Amino acid sequence: AQTVTQSQPEMSVQEAETVTLSCTYDTSESDYYLFWYKQPPSRQMILVIRQEAYKQQNATENRFSVNFQKAAKSFSLKISDSQLGDAAMYFCACLMNRDDKIIFGKGTRLHILP
Amino acid sequence: DAGVTQSPTHLIKTRGQQVTLRCSPISGHKSVSWYQQVLGQGPQFIFQYYEKEERGRGNFPDRFSARQFPNYSSELNVNALLLGDSALYLCASSLGWPNSNQPQHFGDGTRLSIL
Repeated sequence: AQTVTQSQPEMSVQEAETVTLSCTYDTSESDYYLFWYKQPPSRQMILVIRQEAYKQQNATENRFSVNFQKAAKSFSLKISDSQLGDAAMYFCACLMNRDDKIIFGKGTRLHILP
Repeated sequence: DAGVTQSPTHLIKTRGQQVTLRCSPISGHKSVSWYQQVLGQGPQFIFQYYEKEERGRGNFPDRFSARQFPNYSSELNVNALLLGDSALYLCASSLGWPNSNQPQHFGDGTRLSIL
C-alpha cells in the first residue's frame, strides 16, 4: 500500500525567512505524481506545486520549490521569503498514474511569526 | 468563473440518520472525487466519478455511496451515521480521467457533525 509520511506536525518560521517541510512516501510504482497542497483556515485545499516522478528536475513555483529525491522517496517543500499568508496546513500527497486516488500525509501546520 | 461548490456548508445529524452532500464541479469538468478529512488528519479518498460512472473507490463501508448526474454534479450519501463519520467532506473536480494528468480543484467542503 502506498503511504505518505509527514514527520513534522508543526513548524514555525520568521517572516521573510526560509522554511523546509519534509515528506517521505512509499510506493512500488515507478510512475506517479507528487503534490504539496495548502489548506488555510478557510478549508479550501489549494495546489501549491506538483512534481512528475519521471522528471529529474525539481519543480518550482515562484517562492515555492521542491527537493525531489526519487531513490530516497523524499519530497520536501521549501518556502522562501515566508509571508504571513503562507500560514496554513500543508499536505504532501501522492497519486499513482494507474490509479485515481490521491494519498495524503497527515499534514504540517506552518506558523509564520511576524 | 465559479469554483467547485459544495452544499451545505455545515450539517448536524444524529447517529443512525442518513445524509446527502452535494457538489457542483467547475464548468467543463467531468470528473468528481470525494474525500473525508477527519480532524487532524489528511483527506482520505472515498470515490471518484467520471462520465457518471464510478472509476475508483476507497476503503469505506457500503454505508457510503455516491452518484454523478448528467450535468456532472455529484451527491455523496452516507447511511446509518456513526459518530466516527464526523468530518470535513471535500469534493474535487478535474477536467478528465485519470486524474494524474489533470490538476484537481477542491471545494470548501461540508462540515458534518454527528451527535
